[in-house]
Amino acid sequence: AQSVTQLDSQVPVFEEAPVELRCNYSSSVSVYLFWYVQYPNQGLQLLLKYLSGSTLVKGINGFEAEFNKSQTSFHLRKPSVHISDTAEYFCAVSDATASGGSYIPTFGRGTSLIVHP
Amino acid sequence: NAGVTQTPKFQVLKTGQSMTLQCAQDMNHNSMYWYRQDPGMGLRLIYYSASEGTTDKGEVPNGYNVSRLNKREFSLRLESAAPSQTSVYFCASSEEGREVETQYFGPGTRLLVL
Repeated sequence: AQSVTQLDSQVPVFEEAPVELRCNYSSSVSVYLFWYVQYPNQGLQLLLKYLSGSTLVKGINGFEAEFNKSQTSFHLRKPSVHISDTAEYFCAVSDATASGGSYIPTFGRGTSLIVHP
Repeated sequence: NAGVTQTPKFQVLKTGQSMTLQCAQDMNHNSMYWYRQDPGMGLRLIYYSASEGTTDKGEVPNGYNVSRLNKREFSLRLESAAPSQTSVYFCASSEEGREVETQYFGPGTRLLVL
């Protein structure tokens, strides 16, 4: 089974500064990768996903992530954050070679992004 | 199109009481999931249903039961609640397919067991 490590539990940053949220996963087998965002008192919503193709994936709200197979990483970046980006961010990974009809992602523990004015 | 809905939004139980968390989706998805979210633990899968009529255990199934009532609805039951089940519970759904699909999450149920 896959495991996901989000290296930072909390990332404080000033508004308009760049940010990187780090994510590493356990296995180098073929994977699908996801970043979800959770705003306070809400459910999770998809920011972006990597299934195949270009290793640089662009998502909503100006976020992007780069898949690095050799380093088993999928770090999330944004060049300039806003106050409204304050939220919990979850990295998730699933095994693309899994058989059967259900591929269930494993989630990391989350990174709390705190944007200060 | 409401997406994934969950009821109730909040619940307080006493130890030993039972309750059922309800989840429904209107996206015609085959797969549905129940997760619990605890501080510093991320999301942990309790049970999932790959399709109508099937359910399987996830990472933390003890103390829970599920029912896939039909394609739209997937309920989670706590037969005898314990303080360790205090958590936020999320239901999610996804299409079933060769490639994994995006999971769509409900707003959550916040449960406190005293």
